[in-house]
Amino acid sequence: GEDVEQSLFLSVREGDSSVINCTYTDSSSTYLYWYKQEPGAGLQLLTYIFSNMDMKQDQRLTVLLNKKDKHLSLRIADTQTGDSAIYFCAEISPYGGSQGNLIFGKGTKLSVKP
Amino acid sequence: DAGVTQSPTHLIKTRGQQVTLRCSPKSGHDTVSWYQQALGQGPQFIFQYYEEEERQRGNFPDRFSGHQFPNYSSELNVNALLLGDSALYLCASSQDRGTTNEKLFFGSGTQLSVL
Repeated sequence: GEDVEQSLFLSVREGDSSVINCTYTDSSSTYLYWYKQEPGAGLQLLTYIFSNMDMKQDQRLTVLLNKKDKHLSLRIADTQTGDSAIYFCAEISPYGGSQGNLIFGKGTKLSVKP
Repeated sequence: DAGVTQSPTHLIKTRGQQVTLRCSPKSGHDTVSWYQQALGQGPQFIFQYYEEEERQRGNFPDRFSGHQFPNYSSELNVNALLLGDSALYLCASSQDRGTTNEKLFFGSGTQLSVL
């Protein structure tokens, strides 16, 4: 199928680490993306990983990729209240071939408690 | 430098009507993609415009059409509106460099409500 799967909710305490998981569909996906959506706003690209990488770190963000299991995760270290948002995992559509045609998961709503 | 701008921000229509949504891409970008985001769902790809032509299309009926102008701005038109067309419509722009990893920049969207 074409579904990118994510858990819908995650709640953490401020200062803890958050881990958001995603299962994607296309084993030949070249790039995988994490986007953040705050209330009333569009999507902001947080980070992406190329399929030949296992891990990518960018400041507080760490992306892990397990190609065998088609599993992607986003770890946010030292989570802050400003990180509260919906996080979307996305892959390039196998039918599209360009980054403009992305398949998104339903999003994980991250709530950070002070 | 303005990012991606969309207008209007909110719109209310009734079933059967037609609607036009507008998007101005980020400066320097030449490609515009449109997405529909229903409540509680992830965005779904509608189509993409490049060089004033529709380059790719998602699984949306012909009631959804678009246009790209010489200045790269774009319109999304929806005819014969249905209740199920109520959603947040997002425009995303990028610069085509011939690779598959041009970064997408999204606007804040147009919230369409069909009554």
